[in-house]
Amino acid sequence: DIQMTQSPSSLSASVGDRVTITCRASQSINDYLNWYQQKPGKAPKLLMYAASSLQSGVPSRFSGSGFGTDFTLTISSLQPEDFATYYCQQSYSTPYSFGQGTKLEFK
Amino acid sequence: QVQLVQSGAEVEKPGASVKVSCKTSGYTFTDYFIHWVRQAPGQGLEWMGWLNPNSGGTDYSQKFQGRVTMTRDPSITTAYMELSRLRSDDTAVYYCARLHHDHADFYFDYWGQGTMVTVSS
Repeated sequence: DIQMTQSPSSLSASVGDRVTITCRASQSINDYLNWYQQKPGKAPKLLMYAASSLQSGVPSRFSGSGFGTDFTLTISSLQPEDFATYYCQQSYSTPYSFGQGTKLEFK
Repeated sequence: QVQLVQSGAEVEKPGASVKVSCKTSGYTFTDYFIHWVRQAPGQGLEWMGWLNPNSGGTDYSQKFQGRVTMTRDPSITTAYMELSRLRSDDTAVYYCARLHHDHADFYFDYWGQGTMVTVSS
């Protein structure tokens, strides 16, 4: 099974900050890497797919990169609505594993 | 518009079974796999398995093999996930999600609202 490791587990930041979350796969997954945002009490929401493709309707301040085992999600200028938990997920092979999550909090 | 609407919260005793439904609309039910993901309180997301609504075929996480059954009723565009021999650590929110597959891209583009399952004596 492929293990997904995110860092950091939590991150304190302010509105306007640029933040980067990293995700590492235990083996190469090419670009089969997706990012989701989850707010308390809500279902996850797709942000990015195939490592760097922005889902329709998602603001362009979100971007993703990476290939193989190392990936990043960047938010260029944090907005108040971006404070949430972020998960990476590999869709290279089942079981479709998720990272443990990165909680983005107000500094 | 695409919607996945799940059944309501359940409270079950240890050893019992629970069956969660996921009613879909707004797209052709048999064209997209349905996956199930769960989230224990305060924890991360855990993939459970998938269902092919066209054939009824399934693939389950090894962790749930023998306890989980995913089925569907195409006539009412609904998928089901049944988990048996419940334990306290099965207490979680259970989500259904539609898998989008386009060329070589695979991702969950629509999710149900989640069903809270509480296992308690």
